[in-house]
Amino acid sequence: DAKTTQPTSMDCAEGRAANLPCNHSTISGNEYVYWYRQIHSQGPQYIIHGLKNNETNEMASLIITEDRKSSTLILPHATLRDTAVYYCIVSVLGGTSYGKLTFGQGTILTVHP
Amino acid sequence: EAQVTQNPRYLITVTGKKLTVTCSQNMNHEYMSWYRQDPGLGLRQIYYSMNVEVTDKGDVPEGYKVSRKEKRNFPLILESPSPNQTSLYFCASRSPNTEAFFGQGTRLTVV
Repeated sequence: DAKTTQPTSMDCAEGRAANLPCNHSTISGNEYVYWYRQIHSQGPQYIIHGLKNNETNEMASLIITEDRKSSTLILPHATLRDTAVYYCIVSVLGGTSYGKLTFGQGTILTVHP
Repeated sequence: EAQVTQNPRYLITVTGKKLTVTCSQNMNHEYMSWYRQDPGLGLRQIYYSMNVEVTDKGDVPEGYKVSRKEKRNFPLILESPSPNQTSLYFCASRSPNTEAFFGQGTRLTVV
């Protein structure tokens, strides 16, 4: 079973920030929050990950609450090409179980003109 | 360029005709896995491999085989395909301290 809960769908206007929430209330201390997206039927693409601090890269920002039970992915200036399914996943780094990613249904983000 | 390469991208076959979908990665990753994606069911792991000659079942292994004779390759084998294996398949690779990389997918239709 997926360890995360996300809204089924969201809309965003082009050029505006897209804020995608994720609940992971049962996250363990050694689990990271990862975000991937899948554009149409392509392979999932890594966006960003974090443990407890907020993170930013060239694609997005990740805000993790202090209790780590939820997070928000922020696409600062959404474009039409950001229309995709966004998956929030919790996963460990290292150890014996780092490889498997358990995907939920994700959030379908539609960016409209 | 770091990548996971799957072949073929599209395949239509008949029930019972053995087929192999190849997967190769150029990042020297230890972990490789196969997923299938079906409408309403999301991405589910079929098999995985922690390293050469080490493979194990994922969540939906029935009807599939894999092998890991070389670190870079992880083929998915369907010995006797059936229509319920019609799906979109993804190969992925990862190392302990990296994100996962996915191939572009193989759309398989079994008639």
